[in-house]
Amino acid sequence: QTVVTQEPSLSVSPGGTVTLTCGLNSGSVSTIYYPSWYQQTPGQAPRTLIYSTTTRSSGVPDRFSGSILGNKAALTITGAQADDESDYYCVLYIGRGISVFGTGTKVTVL
Amino acid sequence: QLQLQESGPGLVKPSETLSLTCTLSGGSFSSHSYYWGWIRQPPGKGLEWIGTGYYTGSTFYNPSLKSRVTISVDTSKNHFSLKLSSVTAADTAVYYCARLIDLGFTYYFDYWGQGTLVTVSS
Repeated sequence: QTVVTQEPSLSVSPGGTVTLTCGLNSGSVSTIYYPSWYQQTPGQAPRTLIYSTTTRSSGVPDRFSGSILGNKAALTITGAQADDESDYYCVLYIGRGISVFGTGTKVTVL
Repeated sequence: QLQLQESGPGLVKPSETLSLTCTLSGGSFSSHSYYWGWIRQPPGKGLEWIGTGYYTGSTFYNPSLKSRVTISVDTSKNHFSLKLSSVTAADTAVYYCARLIDLGFTYYFDYWGQGTLVTVSS
């Protein structure tokens, strides 16, 4: 069974930088998994932030950036703001039409 | 602007079939670049991909749900549907529909419905 793991929770100070990661139990994450990232606030539908590892979706501030760090996909928030406090999910495409959501990271800005 | 809207019963009895529809406005199903997906989120938990369908009838399902799931796309009615059979309390969740872009070199969900809560209870 494919499992995509994320940090359960992270905290960041206003104006600070935080990096979330997205790992795969069966091996390394690379661009061939087309990592994408989604932000979700309570009671709302997810919002697309990043796709194809590094591409920001339309209207997403440039303080959000995506990358591959070591063997994981990563989402970095640089200059965190209060309204970045949300849940964040990565998604990996593992082939044969199958997508797998990560376990999610709750980011607190304090 | 493309919009997706889920609809269907908010309460389903255990062992029965959950049926939801996602209506598309401002766009078309008949594009080779788009798939149409369902994702769910149990209360207080994370997101889970259920499956995706294509306008030609092709479908892809989460292996853990595959035996109970049917997704279909009806281009004439501008909607796509989810059926989940033999439901239990564990299927209680907010169900989202979403558009999936597949261009061969990129693959992601770009538009989401607002979600609809389905509770499984007698």
